[in-house]
Amino acid sequence: AQKITQTQPGMFVQEKEAVTLDCTYDTSDQSYGLFWYKQPSSGEMIFLIYQGSYDEQNATEGRYSLNFQKARKSTNLVISASQLGDSAMYFCAIASSGTYKYIFGTGTRLKVLA
Amino acid sequence: EAQVTQNPRYLITVTGKKLTVTCSQNMNHEYMSWYRQDPGLGLRQIYYSMNVEVTDKGDVPEGYKVSRKEKRNFPLILESPSPNQTSLYFCASSSDPGSNQPQHFGDGTRLSIL
Repeated sequence: AQKITQTQPGMFVQEKEAVTLDCTYDTSDQSYGLFWYKQPSSGEMIFLIYQGSYDEQNATEGRYSLNFQKARKSTNLVISASQLGDSAMYFCAIASSGTYKYIFGTGTRLKVLA
Repeated sequence: EAQVTQNPRYLITVTGKKLTVTCSQNMNHEYMSWYRQDPGLGLRQIYYSMNVEVTDKGDVPEGYKVSRKEKRNFPLILESPSPNQTSLYFCASSSDPGSNQPQHFGDGTRLSIL
């Protein structure tokens, strides 16, 4: 069975600084995708970034990047130059290419301080 | 505008009274899914569908039914709701789950069962 673990229930970061949100996963599948979503206080789910299990490069999307360590089964999200609007809940998720089941972590609530 | 539409957004009802939450997407996506979000538990997948007439159980299917008679619609049915189904529900769709195509989420339905 697949599993996602986000060990940081909450984090603070100073505006303009970088922050790393941790995510580890467990799967026996060889082909899978890892996703990060942001959920602001308004409640909608916003897709941020994707990493495929066979991707050799770490994914980057603007201020978001992933530190993907396949052997350690971790995919940490790095947000550079934090902004007040980054304050939100962040979820890591895994989807198997075979079963199409999605498993989400319990989330990390990030608060950016002015 | 590409979107996933859920209705209703809010519903308060009583134990045992059958209800349906509708979900419709206009992106011609084959994959659709339902989640519930509870504090401290993240999002948990209830059911998913890979195409018309093809549905499968997620991690928490008990007490729920779904149907996929048309590609665009994926209603969630609670035949006999109970208070432990009080939650925030999200519908999502994707063109290719497990690949780099993310899920698009609806705005959520907040359900209270008294």
